[in-house]
Amino acid sequence: KAGVTQTPRYLIKTRGQQVTLSCSPISGHRSVSWYQQTPGQGLQFLFEYFSETQRNKGNFPGRFSGRQFSNSRSEMNVSTLELGDSALYLCATAGAGQETQYFGPGTRLLVL
Amino acid sequence: GENVEQHPSTLSVQEGDSAVIKCTYSDSASNYFPWYKQELGKRPQLIIDIRSNVGEKKDQRIAVTLNKTAKHFSLHITETQPEDSAVYFCAASKTGTSGTYKYIFGTGTRLKVLA
Repeated sequence: KAGVTQTPRYLIKTRGQQVTLSCSPISGHRSVSWYQQTPGQGLQFLFEYFSETQRNKGNFPGRFSGRQFSNSRSEMNVSTLELGDSALYLCATAGAGQETQYFGPGTRLLVL
Repeated sequence: GENVEQHPSTLSVQEGDSAVIKCTYSDSASNYFPWYKQELGKRPQLIIDIRSNVGEKKDQRIAVTLNKTAKHFSLHITETQPEDSAVYFCAASKTGTSGTYKYIFGTGTRLKVLA
């Protein structure tokens, strides 16, 4: 099976812009979680989607949003970018009823 | 709120020695505890996991122990090798009937194995 893929792998944006990141899960996986990874804060949970519904949400401002499509692909959007949004954004997917999450390679976002 | 504490933040060991990383979780409903290894510039990779109905699990040089009463779990790596050098993350999760809910990660341990 192909692994979790994320696009794009690298992004450079300026403050105030918005960005959309994409995650394609392993075939058959319906759960997609998003994490923000920074050197100081580690892996912080953003939100999780399952069958196009957001099941859980972390403690991030409303500028961070996501959605999931019927083919389980997921996107996350960050509006009005701030310098502090610079991070590696990882998605992780899991099969229905399965605990184990498998990570994608991440999208590295740099906000200037 | 939900929290996972991980110690130490950095750990240096001589090749061949053992390494132990410890995590403590706050949510007593947590029932699944994975460990991930992240090499520089790469994605986190699952190396071992344990469920709350098991006290210990071993896979070759890697073992994990769980103490539900103390809400504490640990990763043990024996006979360390240079390729074990990486950042290790623990996580705690509670699993609902329809699948995994959110993982709460520890802050990571940077392990350096000195040749």
